[in-house]
Amino acid sequence: EPEVTQTPSHQVTQMGQEVILRCVPISNHLYFYWYRQILGQKVEFLVSFYNNEISEKSEIFDDQFSVERPDGSNFTLKIRSTKLEDSAMYFCASTEGVPRSSTDTQYFGPGTRLTVL
Amino acid sequence: GQNIDQPTEMTATEGAIVQINCTYQTSGFNGLFWYQQHAGEAPTFLSYNVLDGLEEKGRFSSFLSRSKGYSYLLLKELQMKDSASYLCAGYYGGSQGNLIFGKGTKLSVKP
Repeated sequence: EPEVTQTPSHQVTQMGQEVILRCVPISNHLYFYWYRQILGQKVEFLVSFYNNEISEKSEIFDDQFSVERPDGSNFTLKIRSTKLEDSAMYFCASTEGVPRSSTDTQYFGPGTRLTVL
Repeated sequence: GQNIDQPTEMTATEGAIVQINCTYQTSGFNGLFWYQQHAGEAPTFLSYNVLDGLEEKGRFSSFLSRSKGYSYLLLKELQMKDSASYLCAGYYGGSQGNLIFGKGTKLSVKP
């Protein structure tokens, strides 16, 4: 079964450092997302990406964040200057299209646990 | 913003049936997802309801009432491995598929 993959599984960084989280969405999918989940809290939407540009972003996704699809397979999330409160699990997700029926689904990757010290 | 509400925790017995409820704001609503999430792992898809009514998938069923802003996930013949958090997530109009999640319901299945 096709799956979304993410690397690394764990990332530890110092406050103020830049990190890049990588995702490989499912190959025929067109919509890509980043979510985050702070320990013990709910999953929160960060950004959606379609047709090589950001289609939506949340209030969390400020100027410190950026996304890129550098080639035909990878989808990256960059945090320029990490803060302690950026510590969270970051999930990438992809979907073939916007959800229109009960057969549509959004597939999540296994996540990258980011720890900012 | 759109609020998605669900109970924080539930406990049930192996072999039993449990119903996890979710309420959501109806304005701009398109459809509702249910995901299962084991601790430290990614959410895995269970169901997506767009139309009113019950959808059954094996031991799991999901119900939606659009007029009431209400959904539930029904788990039958509970197994110990069903102990997990169950996430209710709404998909709202005008968005490119991004989901609004509830806080999740942590289900503990006891022998």
